[in-house]
Amino acid sequence: GENVEQHPSTLSVQEGDSAVIKCTYSDSASNYFPWYKQELGKRPQLIIDIRSNVGEKKDQRIAVTLNKTAKHFSLHITETQPEDSAVYFCAASRGNFNKFYFGSGTKLNVKP
Amino acid sequence: DAGITQSPRHKVTETGTPVTLRCHQTENHRYMYWYRQDPGHGLRLIHYSYGVKDTDKGEVSDGYSVSRSKTEDFLLTLESATSSQTSVYFCAISESGQEQYFGPGTRLTVT
Repeated sequence: GENVEQHPSTLSVQEGDSAVIKCTYSDSASNYFPWYKQELGKRPQLIIDIRSNVGEKKDQRIAVTLNKTAKHFSLHITETQPEDSAVYFCAASRGNFNKFYFGSGTKLNVKP
Repeated sequence: DAGITQSPRHKVTETGTPVTLRCHQTENHRYMYWYRQDPGHGLRLIHYSYGVKDTDKGEVSDGYSVSRSKTEDFLLTLESATSSQTSVYFCAISESGQEQYFGPGTRLTVT
């Protein structure tokens, strides 16, 4: 099956700085890559996703990039704010009818 | 949040007892999933469903069974709970099989 690795496991940045979280995957047939944000004691929430026919996608302060050749994708958060502090998970899937595989998570701490 | 509820939200049970967790949706989404979340492991798929009575195993399905007799309900059963099944369980739904929306979670403790 698919193996998704996520780094770093913890990340501490100063408010206003950028944060980058990276994931690698093993199954070249994976074609859908979502990112989830989970605040303490809450449910994971989808924040952005990318499909394999696209190299980059942006939504305000967050962006995701995908390198299919190297089989890795990254989450970029610019102008970080204290409310960005949470655990972020990446995932990979082959799409419909298929399983999702999640990374182990990155705890982001944004210091005011 | 999408119309997803989970019950119970918290449960403490003893080793060897059967436990059933319920996921209920009001979105009429085709796909439903059960995950467990443990420190250091992220979210791991237990079972998922792609339609009424259509289910498949995930990566950590041993010791768990599921049933989906109606579009809106997806049940997860631990036939004989073990301490290793102490975890937070999340249900998720999806209309397309891609974007997933999670329920509030059930915290299960097996003593």
